Amino acid sequence: GAVVSQHPSRVICKSGTSVKIECRSLDFQATTMFWYRQFPKKSLMLMATSNEGSKATYEQGVEKDKFLINHASLTLSTLTVTSAHPEDSSFYICSAHRGLGSQETQYFGPGTRLLVL
Amino acid sequence: SQQGEEDPQALSIQEGENATMNCSYKTSINNLQWYRQNSGRGLVHLILIRSNEREKHSGRLRVTLDTSKKSSSLLITASRAADTASYFCATNTGGGNKLTFGTGTQLKVEL
Repeated sequence: GAVVSQHPSRVICKSGTSVKIECRSLDFQATTMFWYRQFPKKSLMLMATSNEGSKATYEQGVEKDKFLINHASLTLSTLTVTSAHPEDSSFYICSAHRGLGSQETQYFGPGTRLLVL
Repeated sequence: SQQGEEDPQALSIQEGENATMNCSYKTSINNLQWYRQNSGRGLVHLILIRSNEREKHSGRLRVTLDTSKKSSSLLITASRAADTASYFCATNTGGGNKLTFGTGTQLKVEL
């Protein structure tokens, strides 16, 4: 099966610092990757769609300057939380889409838990 | 925005019983998918049902889709304690393969 990894799995940082989260598709090339945010016992909220070689598309209400997304290759996308604040503390999950059609599933990473002190 | 709403929000059953979760959505879809999430973990894809399909099976899972009612159900038969998790439906409405997730059902299967 398709495997997606995320690194780090958990990070604690001080307020004002930036944190980078990596999402890798290990055994397939992902034409598109997605970044989600999940609050405790809540659903996943799509933050942005990341396409290799082009700018990310952000969902309404998500600050693109706050959450920088880079999709440098077909197997790697990064999310950088800039100038993190305690309200940015959350569970961040990426997913990778394989294939060209909408009938393909997304494969999810294990998530990164961010705690901003 | 959240397209899907699931009910119940929480479900507690005994091992061996069947568990049924429902998902409603608002707009036309290409497909609907069900995912499972163990506490603090990533999501595991369970099953995908296309808009032109009405029912699909995978092992102990049975998914139905009623596009006229814009609803889907997930049935887990002969539940096990290991099935304890949160279950989410997600709709794909085209437009770049984005998924919109429902609110989720927290299932607890007790011994």
